[in-house]
Amino acid sequence: GDSVTQMEGPVTLSEEAFLTINCTYTATGYPSLFWYVQYPGEGLQLLLKATKADDKGSNKGFEATYRKETTSFHLEKGSVQVSDSAVYFCALAKYNFNKFYFGSGTKLNVKP
Amino acid sequence: EAGVTQSPTHLIKTRGQQVTLRCSPISGHTSVYWYQQALGLGLQFLLWYDEGEERNRGNFPPRFSGRQFPNYSSELNVNALELEDSALYLCASSSTAQANEKLFFGSGTQLSVL
Repeated sequence: GDSVTQMEGPVTLSEEAFLTINCTYTATGYPSLFWYVQYPGEGLQLLLKATKADDKGSNKGFEATYRKETTSFHLEKGSVQVSDSAVYFCALAKYNFNKFYFGSGTKLNVKP
Repeated sequence: EAGVTQSPTHLIKTRGQQVTLRCSPISGHTSVYWYQQALGLGLQFLLWYDEGEERNRGNFPPRFSGRQFPNYSSELNVNALELEDSALYLCASSSTAQANEKLFFGSGTQLSVL
């Protein structure tokens, strides 16, 4: 079945470090891919998305490229800030099923 | 514009009780989704409602049920509560039934079952 696998956390980085959170997926057809972020005490917010192969989603300095050949959608940021501390969820969705499949989430802690 | 609102924010129940959680989608959104976020387990899809009908459900027992009202608000009901039902329950809405539309999430209802 369709699924999303994320690297386990927590990930602890110093401010201005480079961030990569790995995400791979299993799906038939042509899913759309998403990264959601959950700040402490809040609900999830869409961070970025990509709807087809080779698309790059970007927002707030975060980027992820839809790689069909490696079934991956890794999240990257060149220089993290303390305010980026949150839980990040990778997700996929398919047009005709309207069900989002979420990864288990990766907690990011950024230390000053 | 108001976002997705959920009530209550926190709830404490005991085993065997029943609970009802409420969700109001963003104005104009017709699809409502319910997710369970148990500690350490990530998000699990519960239910999807669109235009008043249940369109899909996740791998949860029948004691998890819900409905969507004509104004598109929704309720999630959980009967015969068990300890493992303790979780954050998130509601999300989207403007269409297309899966590649983004979801807007509420802040959730934290349910504790003692």
